[in-house]
Parts: sequence; structure tokens; C-alpha cells
Amino acid sequence: AQSVTQLGSHVSVSEGALVLLRCNYSSSVPPYLFWYVQYPNQGLQLLLKYTSAATLVKGINGFEAEFKKSETSFHLTKPSAHMSDAAEYFCAVSEGKIIFGKGTRLHILP
Amino acid sequence: EAQVTQNPRYLITVTGKKLTVTCSQNMNHEYMSWYRQDPGLGLRQIYYSMNVEVTDKGDVPEGYKVSRKEKRNFPLILESPSPNQTSLYFCASTRTGGLYNEQFFGPGTRLTVL
Repeated sequence: AQSVTQLGSHVSVSEGALVLLRCNYSSSVPPYLFWYVQYPNQGLQLLLKYTSAATLVKGINGFEAEFKKSETSFHLTKPSAHMSDAAEYFCAVSEGKIIFGKGTRLHILP
Repeated sequence: EAQVTQNPRYLITVTGKKLTVTCSQNMNHEYMSWYRQDPGLGLRQIYYSMNVEVTDKGDVPEGYKVSRKEKRNFPLILESPSPNQTSLYFCASTRTGGLYNEQFFGPGTRLTVL
């Protein structure tokens, strides 16, 4: 059965610092993986998706994620955090039905 | 513009008073879902529908009903709301077929049951 684990319900980084949000998955077949972002008082917006075409996936707003099969990971990164990146981030895996992680709230420190 | 709309966006009600949250999509998707979002629990699927007149329970269906009489609409019904149904609700419409499924979310409905 597929599942998603996001490490850290809250992550704080300084403005300009590297953002790293961790996601590990389990899936019985090659998965499709997603990162969604939820800004305050808004719905979920797709940041990026992995569909087996390339292991390094670039998304919107300067985010990217790398699929590592050996580590069953799909961590989200951004080289330099901006105040506007403060939001909640959800990793999701799909074998058909989409399963979401519990989310990581990203705080940006001035 | 492709979108999923929900109404109302905010609702405060009392225990036992039936309510309906509407959801509509304009992308001609067959698959639609309802989720609730609670702090520390992420998104949990309530019900889903694979097509008109085809609905099934998700992970947390108790206390909810849905209907799918037409492709674009997928209302969520709370026949007798209780305080533990206070939550943020999202409707989603899913593009299926091809290599993967991609979900499009509505803006959310924040429900408070007193």
C-alpha cells in the first residue's frame, strides 16, 4: 500500500537560506509524486510533479525536487528562501488514488 | 479558466442543522473528491466519485453524504452536523488517464459546528 511520510511538521529557515522539506514514500509500483503548496486561507496548488521522465523536477517559484528510488525519497528544495515562501507544503503519492502526507509548515525568519 | 469552485467559503452552523456544501468544476473531469483538513492530520479523503452516479467512501466517510447527478457538480451533505465535523473542507477534481492523475483543488470551505 502506498503511503507518504513528511519529516517535520514545522520547519523554520532564515530568509535567503536553503529550504529543504523532506518526503519519503512507500509504493508497490513506480510512483507518481507531487508537491503541493497551501498559502494561508487558500486551497492547494500544485508545485511540481514527478512522472518518471526525469529524476530532478523543477517547479514553480524556484522549487525543485529530486526523486531517489534507492532512498524512496522526494525531498523539496529551494536554494534561497523568500518571505513569500511561508506556507504549508504537502507531499503526495499516486498509484491511482492520491495519498497526502500530513504537511510541513514552512516558516521564514527575517 | 479551469477551476473548481466551492460554496460557501465560510459557514458557522449549529449541531443537527442539515447543510450542503456545493462543488463545481468546469474541466469535464470524471473523478471528484472531498477532503477534510485538520491540524496535524493533513488531508483525509471523505468521499470520491469516479463518474456520474458512482460514488464511494474514502477514509473518513462517517457523518457525510454525497451525490453525483451530473458530471460537473459534487455536493457534500452533512445531514446532522456535529462539532467534530468542524474543519476545513476541500473539493478536488482529478484529471485521469495518461500516465498519472493530477488533482485540482477548490479554495476550501471553513465549517464551524457549534
